[in-house]
Amino acid sequence: QVQLQESGPGLVKPSETLSLTCAVSGYSISSGYYWGWIRQPPGKGLEWIGSIYHSENTYYNSSLKSRVTISVDTSKNQFSLKLSSVTAADTAVYYCARLKITDGTAFDIWGQGTMVTVSS
Amino acid sequence: EIVLTQSPGTLSLSPGERATLSCRASQSVNSTYLAWYQQKPGQAPRLLIYGASTRATGIPDRFSGSGSGTDFTLTISRLEPEDFAVYYCQQYGNSLLTFGGGTKVEIK
Repeated sequence: QVQLQESGPGLVKPSETLSLTCAVSGYSISSGYYWGWIRQPPGKGLEWIGSIYHSENTYYNSSLKSRVTISVDTSKNQFSLKLSSVTAADTAVYYCARLKITDGTAFDIWGQGTMVTVSS
Repeated sequence: EIVLTQSPGTLSLSPGERATLSCRASQSVNSTYLAWYQQKPGQAPRLLIYGASTRATGIPDRFSGSGSGTDFTLTISRLEPEDFAVYYCQQYGNSLLTFGGGTKVEIK
């Protein structure tokens, strides 16, 4: 059974860098699939942040592209998100998810999400 | 960037009724790349439909998806108490993804 688990600080100061990790169990991250990050501000809808495939192919939301880096650590079977120069607008629940791309493209497995608050 | 507009924003229905949710794209979407999710309070979204009309594993057959081009629909044939939630559509194109703003299905 494939499971994803987000981890990282729940509180980040304005102008600093938000760093989150998604640990994948039950599946080798290097075996295939894209992997992605999605966020949801309190009381609002879902926003795709970006996705990665095989470490070298990354795709980012154009509105966040200048501040986002997604990377993969195959030795730890995990992938990570870094979002720089955060403001209060980056306060949200952050989800990691697996993106299937065969027979239709969709996030088929999600982590439980982790709340990140940007505040001094 | 393709913008997805979902309507209505809120749908007030009773258990047993039929729910019809709309997702309209600002430009044509390949049906292969259109998905629907259900989200309940405090939970991660759950994949319902991918490829516009294929139910994900374990999804009851009262959920169905249809549509093509710029207009897509999620139908719940008979609402069960556990179906009251927020529903999102999502598209993938040119390696970029967008979500619709969501439709909340609430108990009338």
